[in-house]
Amino acid sequence: NAGVTQTPKFQVLKTGQSMTLQCAQDMNHNSMYWYRQDPGMGLRLIYYSASEGTTDKGEVPNGYNVSRLNKREFSLRLESAAPSQTSVYFCATTRPGQNYEQYFGPGTRLTVT
Amino acid sequence: AQSVTQLGSHVSVSEGALVLLRCNYSSSVPPYLFWYVQYPNQGLQLLLKYTSAATLVKGINGFEAEFKKSETSFHLTKPSAHMSDAAEYFCAVSDGRDDKIIFGKGTRLHILP
Repeated sequence: NAGVTQTPKFQVLKTGQSMTLQCAQDMNHNSMYWYRQDPGMGLRLIYYSASEGTTDKGEVPNGYNVSRLNKREFSLRLESAAPSQTSVYFCATTRPGQNYEQYFGPGTRLTVT
Repeated sequence: AQSVTQLGSHVSVSEGALVLLRCNYSSSVPPYLFWYVQYPNQGLQLLLKYTSAATLVKGINGFEAEFKKSETSFHLTKPSAHMSDAAEYFCAVSDGRDDKIIFGKGTRLHILP
């Protein structure tokens, strides 16, 4: 099992360009998340999806859109990238049941110039 | 609203010394508490979790944490630090009402030879 996979691993964009970050999981989990990690800020939730067909805003959703394509895939789109979106992006899923333990992908390091 | 405070963004200990990373939480209901570790250029992985069973929780790599309700704390300890413990550590809390968890800002652990 691959667990949680993310593509690409690295990306450099120019201001105003768009791109989609892909996330896929093979653990049959319902809930999926997108976080961004910035130095000294910890992980901040951008969007999450409790199940296929549903998405909700997290703490820092501005400038992002998401699609829960099916149970396995949850993509994050930057329509018009800004330097403030330079960050490391992590996708995660939650183990079903009462533990709320999250499983993380390896991350995408995005630089916007 | 739930929140997590990690005391000290950087902690340095000598190899073989006690590791103590501090975490205080705020939650209106009995919480689920987690410690995650992030090695350089990797995603987060779960070290240990508290889910209302034993208050002393043992995790991987010799780490443990004690839930103290009266102090609203969940400090992470390891009796003897190893060079391989150098990483960033995140405390996190969930109130179990939804599938979201809140992360602290992280503590970077440095091990001195």
